[in-house]
Amino acid sequence: GNSVTQMEGPVTLSEEAFLTINCTYTATGYPSLFWYVQYPGEGLQLLLKATKADDKGSNKGFEATYRKETTSFHLEKGSVQVSDSAVYFCALPVQGGSEKLVFGKGTKLTVNP
Amino acid sequence: NAGVTQTPKFQVLKTGQSMTLQCAQDMNHEYMSWYRQDPGMGLRLIHYSVGAGITDQGEVPNGYNVSRSTTEDFPLRLLSAAPSQTSVYFCASRVTGRANVLTFGAGSRLTVL
Repeated sequence: GNSVTQMEGPVTLSEEAFLTINCTYTATGYPSLFWYVQYPGEGLQLLLKATKADDKGSNKGFEATYRKETTSFHLEKGSVQVSDSAVYFCALPVQGGSEKLVFGKGTKLTVNP
Repeated sequence: NAGVTQTPKFQVLKTGQSMTLQCAQDMNHEYMSWYRQDPGMGLRLIHYSVGAGITDQGEVPNGYNVSRSTTEDFPLRLLSAAPSQTSVYFCASRVTGRANVLTFGAGSRLTVL
């Protein structure tokens, strides 16, 4: 089945720094790819998604491009804020046609003022 | 809309006790699922359901039972709790379709002594 490998943290940055969180995947075909975010004390929520190769998902200043050549979906933000402190998860369907999602282990980001 | 509602938010059990974690959604989502979140392990799928009367196992189903008698409810039962089941549990739902977005509940923190 499909799988995802996510850069492990924790990651600590100063406010306004550039952020990259790496995510690579192994998949049959070209499944949809997702980034979810979990703020402290809350459940996960969708941050962005891409449904086909070369798509760019974006939301709240975050971006990720679906790159089939490198099987990657890295999350980036040009200038992080303290409010971006959270755990970030990369995810994709377990296999073609599956309703199940598999998640990476999560990357904890702390942004200091 | 309340979204996905989980109860209780916190629970402490003794080894061998039984309990049910409740999950309800009011969005008419066909797909519902239960994950557990443990440090360093990310999110792991316990059980899922693609509609009323249909359930299936995920990655870590042992020690847990589920049923889906209605579209709205998807309870998770621990028949004989063990310390290894100490975790944070998340219920999530969505409309059927691989590109569709999961909506998560706020989580239930369970401690088994």
